[in-house]
Amino acid sequence: EAGVAQSPRYKIIEKRQSVAFWCNPISGHATLYWYQQILGQGPKLLIQFQNNGVVDDSQLPKDRFSAERLKGVDSTLKIQPAKLEDSAVYLCASSLGVGGMNEQFFGPGTRLTVL
Amino acid sequence: AQSVTQLGSHVSVSEGALVLLRCNYSSSVPPYLFWYVQYPNQGLQLLLKYTTGATLVKGINGFEAEFKKSETSFHLTKPSAHMSDAAEYFCAVSDATGGFKTIFGAGTRLFVKA
Repeated sequence: EAGVAQSPRYKIIEKRQSVAFWCNPISGHATLYWYQQILGQGPKLLIQFQNNGVVDDSQLPKDRFSAERLKGVDSTLKIQPAKLEDSAVYLCASSLGVGGMNEQFFGPGTRLTVL
Repeated sequence: AQSVTQLGSHVSVSEGALVLLRCNYSSSVPPYLFWYVQYPNQGLQLLLKYTTGATLVKGINGFEAEFKKSETSFHLTKPSAHMSDAAEYFCAVSDATGGFKTIFGAGTRLFVKA
């Protein structure tokens, strides 16, 4: 079974530039998550989709971050414009169901550096 | 609101020694509890989880954890550390009050000395 795929693996940009990350979840997984992991901290949920609908985006900075999940499969997370404090690893995860007991399968992450 | 506290950002053990990583959680309702491991340049991988039933949970790679409601703890243990156990470990909690959103602790980096 193929795992969660993410690209790019690394990205360096200047502040105020835009950046986009892509995620392809495990086939058949209804729920997709985007997390932000700042150095020295645990992952923090940014947005959760079930199929192509948003379940939770309460911690997504909506003035600069946006995300979509087209056709309930792939997802893109965008930052526009980026700030220095956005430097982090962005993790995508997927799970079969939406309940809190479900195991989440994580991709390798995209490491973003904002200069 | 839920929260997770992992005591010790770094833990160092000798190969063959007991591994004990501490996790305390805050939840006003029965929680789901998880331990994930993260190897360098990889995503997180589930080690074990507690949902209901038996409070001693066994996971992969010889790890286990015990849910102690009275102590609000879910400590991770392994009887004998191996060099390959060196990684970062995250405790996480999910419950109904938070809409079953998973809250992660800050992580504990485990070092294993030869």
